[in-house]
Amino acid sequence: EVQLVESGGGLVQPGRSLRVSCAASGFTFDDYTMHWVRQAPGKGLEWVSGISWNSGRIGYADSVKGRFTISRDNAKNSLYLQMNSLRAEDTALYYCAKGLPGYGSGWTAFDIWGQGTVVTVSS
Amino acid sequence: QSALTQPPSASGSPGQSVTISCTGTSSDVGGYNYVSWYQQHPGKAPKLKIYDVSKRPSGVPDRFSGSKSGNTASLTVSGLQAEDEADYYCSSYAGGNNLVVFGGGTKLTVL
Repeated sequence: EVQLVESGGGLVQPGRSLRVSCAASGFTFDDYTMHWVRQAPGKGLEWVSGISWNSGRIGYADSVKGRFTISRDNAKNSLYLQMNSLRAEDTALYYCAKGLPGYGSGWTAFDIWGQGTVVTVSS
Repeated sequence: QSALTQPPSASGSPGQSVTISCTGTSSDVGGYNYVSWYQQHPGKAPKLKIYDVSKRPSGVPDRFSGSKSGNTASLTVSGLQAEDEADYYCSSYAGGNNLVVFGGGTKLTVL
């Protein structure tokens, strides 16, 4: 079964750091682009970051650039998001998502999603 | 990097068709054929319904179709069913530094 399982969320104070992880199974992880997408409570989806299969192509939303770092470990079938200098507006459900095959579609179409991990930034 | 514009709500009766629009700019929707549409039921993860403007992933019924004209993409759901009631989001490649942008979402109600 193709599956993505996020972990590492929790309550963190403003200005502190947190790393969330995503464990992939059921597919050849290092063949695909992977992404983080978040959803604030009661709000819409927001793309956060993406990383190509070999980490050669990386992108960040303007709202997190310079504070968040995406990475992957293909040997461990895992995706990570290191979040520094967290703000209240970073409070959200963070989804891990797999891109479709291909250079273009793989960056813009996400066919497998995890159930998400909740990050709450509050003092 | 601005969100794409979607109507907050749409509705239709069972069996009818409804179209949801997604308006961007020449830097995103109008500049690339990389528009996707997602369906999200309450408390659930999103599901991909359309990619590359008009392509359907395996398993998505042909009641779902996508198109684009200029800076506006559209999702049409034909033969509405009760299970289609959900939030729908569009997304597009936005060039630049490998950016992806989502729309604000549309709540589809099946009357």
